Amino acid sequence: DAGVTQSPTHLIKTRGQQVTLRCSPKSGHDTVSWYQQALGQGPQFIFQYYEEEERQRGNFPDRFSGHQFPNYSSELNVNALLLGDSALYLCASRAIRGKSGNTIYFGEGSWLTVV
Amino acid sequence: AQTVTQSQPEMSVQEAETVTLSCTYDTSESDYYLFWYKQPPSRQMILVIRQEAYKQQNATENRFSVNFQKAAKSFSLKISDSQLGDAAMYFCAYRRASISNFGNEKLTFGTGTRLTIIP
Repeated sequence: DAGVTQSPTHLIKTRGQQVTLRCSPKSGHDTVSWYQQALGQGPQFIFQYYEEEERQRGNFPDRFSGHQFPNYSSELNVNALLLGDSALYLCASRAIRGKSGNTIYFGEGSWLTVV
Repeated sequence: AQTVTQSQPEMSVQEAETVTLSCTYDTSESDYYLFWYKQPPSRQMILVIRQEAYKQQNATENRFSVNFQKAAKSFSLKISDSQLGDAAMYFCAYRRASISNFGNEKLTFGTGTRLTIIP
């Protein structure tokens, strides 16, 4: 049973560029959330997607957007990259419909470096 | 807004000994979940233990147990018989509970405690 998978593992971008990160949820999971973890900090909630719609959002600017596909996979897009966007981006999934819905599982993250 | 505070940036413990990591939180909600996650150098967040606020009994998972004090808003993690593989960053996290499945997905994390195991 594959867990939460994310790609790419590492990437380097230049200020002002755009980036897309991808996430496949754990099998049987139907909601995906994204977190940003800066070095030495705890993860910060960006947003949640369920039924292909953004359902909850943290305190992040509109430069951060996302998408969820019919197969429950998700993308995180960040436009006009800033140096401060350098961080580990974690994807998390959960089964809203199902008996084990309260446990959230995380992927290994995508390291983004903005230069 | 909910906040989670971990006041111990670093802790160390001798192998096979017991260590307790502290966590306090602030919320006006009566129903919520609390979690301890472990983040090893691989960076993947791994769930260690979970506590439902409505349950008075403290959760236990093998060598890991919690001391949940709801009135004091305290949620500490005790690791018994510490092993080298326990070395990691440990994060305390909060998530509100609600009847609806929407609006309660957000996990609020503390800043973490780095645990070192001394052989």
